[in-house]
Amino acid sequence: DVKVTQSSRYLVKRTGEKVFLECVQDMDHENMFWYRQDPGLGLRLIYFSYDVKMKEKGDIPEGYSVSREKKERFSLILESASTNQTSMYLCAWGTGTTLRTQYFGPGTRLLVL
Amino acid sequence: AQTVTQSQPEMSVQEAETVTLSCTYDTSESDYYLFWYKQPPSRQMILVIRQEAYKQQNATENRFSVNFQKAAKSFSLKISDSQLGDAAMYFCAYKRGAQKLVFGQGTRLTINP
Repeated sequence: DVKVTQSSRYLVKRTGEKVFLECVQDMDHENMFWYRQDPGLGLRLIYFSYDVKMKEKGDIPEGYSVSREKKERFSLILESASTNQTSMYLCAWGTGTTLRTQYFGPGTRLLVL
Repeated sequence: AQTVTQSQPEMSVQEAETVTLSCTYDTSESDYYLFWYKQPPSRQMILVIRQEAYKQQNATENRFSVNFQKAAKSFSLKISDSQLGDAAMYFCAYKRGAQKLVFGQGTRLTINP
């Protein structure tokens, strides 16, 4: 089974700090995704990447950026954290096969004070 | 834009009984994928079941089955012989475009012993 790890399960940061959330997969899959999850809103796509150095905006990219320098690692960056970015962040990877399924990491709960 | 609606924010069922979670979606596409994900209190999102829209036969995975009504754009999840370990948030999701998932708001399922 593919394993997806996220750098932290819980994170507390202050407003204005630069925050890095890292996601690492242990297989050679091209497609990786960052979502945020908020009560009553389900999951919303922030950014995704189909390959190294490639990135595309999802539905809510404002206030975020991403980096994919290596295939196995996809980082989400909050340039200047704000309280409205307090949320659960989920990383996912997807296959390029006909199964078209995404699999998720354990998530990082970020609190911005 | 495609949307996914889960009209039941919360559901509860007695252990060993059957429960059905509802999901409707809106799309103009004819070829797509539908998924049910489960998120237990530990927060790791896991895939429960998936359905390819071109397949008329409803998907089944052990105690989990779906009722896929393409014309009605309905995709409900039936859990038979409910177990305490089934307690979780359940998310319905639709795949649009290339590897983009759209999620419903989620249904919190409680299992009463």
